[in-house]
Amino acid sequence: QQQVKQSPQSLIVQKGGIPIINCAYENTAFDYFPWYQQFPGKGPALLIAIRPDVSEKKEGRFTISFNKSAKQFSLHIMDSQPGDSATYFCAANIQGAQKLVFGQGTRLTINP
Amino acid sequence: EAQVTQNPRYLITVTGKKLTVTCSQNMNHEYMSWYRQDPGLGLRQIYYSMNVEVTDKGDVPEGYKVSRKEKRNFPLILESPSPNQTSLYFCASSLGVYSGANVLTFGAGSRLTVL
Repeated sequence: QQQVKQSPQSLIVQKGGIPIINCAYENTAFDYFPWYQQFPGKGPALLIAIRPDVSEKKEGRFTISFNKSAKQFSLHIMDSQPGDSATYFCAANIQGAQKLVFGQGTRLTINP
Repeated sequence: EAQVTQNPRYLITVTGKKLTVTCSQNMNHEYMSWYRQDPGLGLRQIYYSMNVEVTDKGDVPEGYKVSRKEKRNFPLILESPSPNQTSLYFCASSLGVYSGANVLTFGAGSRLTVL
């Protein structure tokens, strides 16, 4: 079964800190790894994504680190702000298909 | 504005009373999908559609039906809702398998409570 395991389930960080959310997958049949951000009362929205031939991707304060051999990838948020408080989902796209497998989600709170 | 629109946003119903959650997108997307979001379980796919008249089961299809008669609409039907279908539901769409990346646009969600 294709799975993506995400941790932690919840995370509280002080403003300016660097929250890190981790994901691990169990097989190699994934070809695209996006992160989605969800604010309360809204649907998830694409935040940043990476392909497995790249080890790191940075967009503004958000960075994905990808470790292909360990089958792990993580999201780092630099200089975190209260406005970053949201639920974050990692996901993996099944190679050759139009299917995203989502992690369990992380509720992130950035305290002022 | 490019968007996915779901209705109703909130619904409380009783066991066995058929209901439909509508979903419409204005981006001419080929691919549409339904997900349910439950605490600790993330987003799980219910059904998806690669194009008009083409639908297939996702990971948790039991108790749900869908149809895709028009490209823009993809309603989710609960023929006989049960309490275990109490959840937050999301409709999503994307350009399709040839777009190079599976970038989903989600609706705002429909919170369903089955008593």
